[in-house]
Amino acid sequence: QSALTQPRSVSGSPGQSVTISCTGTSSDVGGYNYVSWYQQHPGKAPKLMIYDVSKRPSGVPDRFSGSKSGNTASLTISGLQAEDEADYYCCSYAGSYTLVFGTGTKVTVL
Amino acid sequence: EVQLVQSGAEVKKPGESLKISCKGSGYSFTSYWIGWVRQMPGKGLEWMGIIYPGDSDTRYSPSFQGQVTISADKSISTAYLQWSSLKASDTAMYYCARHVYDSSGYCDYWGQGTLVTVSS
Repeated sequence: QSALTQPRSVSGSPGQSVTISCTGTSSDVGGYNYVSWYQQHPGKAPKLMIYDVSKRPSGVPDRFSGSKSGNTASLTISGLQAEDEADYYCCSYAGSYTLVFGTGTKVTVL
Repeated sequence: EVQLVQSGAEVKKPGESLKISCKGSGYSFTSYWIGWVRQMPGKGLEWMGIIYPGDSDTRYSPSFQGQVTISADKSISTAYLQWSSLKASDTAMYYCARHVYDSSGYCDYWGQGTLVTVSS
């Protein structure tokens, strides 16, 4: 069970869109439509932003959206805001009630 | 309101044992899997394992199997993560998280984290 691969960092100016990729295998991302995304601000616990590839929990702005194609999932933040600056982690179901996280991506708002 | 409240920070020496806790409230504790996630200093999230308090069914990541023990006491709605012999490399923040697996697989509520420091 290897960690899913994410870019180390992405950046964008306020109002722009950024997309974070999350690449796994057919045993995790490609095998199930159970990809979730978490936002983590420094010193804070992770927060669920997207589940089941593209569903948003109540209270998460619709600027956040998710998608998947094959073994790669993506999180897009549209209309980037200063408060979106944080670390983001993808996570996939990997069978037998196990999960695997991605390597994490730092989003910087320029 | 769903809440997961974790025990406080710990400072231990190598070779010592430790058990940290995570108390759930605001939901049926026995109806959801609850698990643990490690975050080493400056690093990413690592999924460690889970337990279903209803029947104590437990699953571990291969990376953590045999290194830690996950347990739960449903009578007090509390899950535990324990080590029998700590190493310096166990220094990390540990989060508990409620898992949802009903035709899905994600963590919807998280504890505030427990910082474990292992140093001689």
